[in-house]
Amino acid sequence: QLVQSGGGLVQPGGSLRLSCLASGTTFSIYSMNWVRQAPGKGLEWVSYISDSSTIIYYADSVKGRFTVSRDNANNSLYLQMNSLRVEDSGIYFCTRDRNSFDPWGQGTRVIVSS
Amino acid sequence: EIILTQSPDTLSLSPGERATLSCRASQGVKTYLHWYQHKPGQAPRLLIYDASIRATGIPARFSGSGSGTDFTLTISSVEPEDVAVYYCQHRSDWPPITFGQGTRLQIK
Repeated sequence: QLVQSGGGLVQPGGSLRLSCLASGTTFSIYSMNWVRQAPGKGLEWVSYISDSSTIIYYADSVKGRFTVSRDNANNSLYLQMNSLRVEDSGIYFCTRDRNSFDPWGQGTRVIVSS
Repeated sequence: EIILTQSPDTLSLSPGERATLSCRASQGVKTYLHWYQHKPGQAPRLLIYDASIRATGIPARFSGSGSGTDFTLTISSVEPEDVAVYYCQHRSDWPPITFGQGTRLQIK
């Protein structure tokens, strides 16, 4: 199970940090991803991090502004979002990578607005 | 970047009818193609992975087929609880990982 926290309302140019807490003892052996859904839009992959954090990828739309990280000792995944834009608004999901994505966190809403 | 195009955009069926959802990839993805169900206010749920394997707990009325560039998700007999948006997603030649634009299933 993945339980998310963080998110909220922030002004353009601001920062937010999302968290994703995994239950169970197998978190450290799985890669993880962040996926988002803008209002009225479809699913968009945001970032990938390997089990040991040695491989990290970002979508071009967030590269240089977002940073993914994880703490395997505490079963936690993070997404640090800086220089936020209005178009970053939406619901953000963390999800475990098994080639397919399963399971997913409950989602957390990010609103970027002045 | 591999582009996934889903059709139709919207599907409106009566309970008990068969639903056929299509996903076409801009280049071959072998069978690295997965399907998700997304209901409003909920997290997406994995339905089918590797083109044709039902995920744990998914009812038998859901099935997937295809390889290469053309894939199909079939719901043999739609039920009211199947109202959702369905997405395909590839895992070949990434990053980036991409999703199709989604097919909205409505029940008459």
